[in-house]
Amino acid sequence: QKEVEQDPGPLSVPEGAIVSLNCTYSNSAFQYFMWYRQYSRKGPELLMYTYSSGNKEDGRFTAQVDKSSKYISLFIRDSQPSDSATYLCAMSSGSGNTGKLIFGQGTTLQVKP
Amino acid sequence: DSGVTQTPKHLITATGQRVTLRCSPRSGDLSVYWYQQSLDQGLQFLIQYYNGEERAKGNILERFSAQQFPDLHSELNLSSLELGDSALYFCASSSRSGGYNEQFFGPGTRLTVL
Repeated sequence: QKEVEQDPGPLSVPEGAIVSLNCTYSNSAFQYFMWYRQYSRKGPELLMYTYSSGNKEDGRFTAQVDKSSKYISLFIRDSQPSDSATYLCAMSSGSGNTGKLIFGQGTTLQVKP
Repeated sequence: DSGVTQTPKHLITATGQRVTLRCSPRSGDLSVYWYQQSLDQGLQFLIQYYNGEERAKGNILERFSAQQFPDLHSELNLSSLELGDSALYFCASSSRSGGYNEQFFGPGTRLTVL
């Protein structure tokens, strides 16, 4: 079993829809949670970062972390065709003096005009 | 543009060969991370260097090795290549080693082993 599980999709939604992306994890030591966006043939870029449990909002994006359930989510409101990409959740414990990231498989999202 | 550069962009080679991938971190970043992205395994951490010293190792094969030079650029060496080594290899850099620090990813090197 992988440390971080993420449904690879693909997920196809109409423009303007609310998108919900999720990851579950097994390592209770994780305390830093990130969402990266990766366009085709590009490197991942950081979208959202959350420390420990709670919610964080940035424009149309909201990240939620529930450590008790070992479950994190990313919501995209008013989705746009430009949001079409692969979304990767990533986690880190931050311990051992390393910031190595453990990634989910990534969910491919297509937003249709 | 993340500020992290990787060369070459594409590499096509044969089984049994050896290749070297190069990464230059963002200006001022001391940590370099290497990740492998394949269709079946997703994005996996390989190894981290901080200011020239190895700091953490992931599921890196013994055929793979890396180093970080005094000018902070890093190289990932892959030897005795197998078909299954075909993947995207990303380098990321950050300012610190532990805790949380944003990692900036390069554009990747696409390795094809024939």
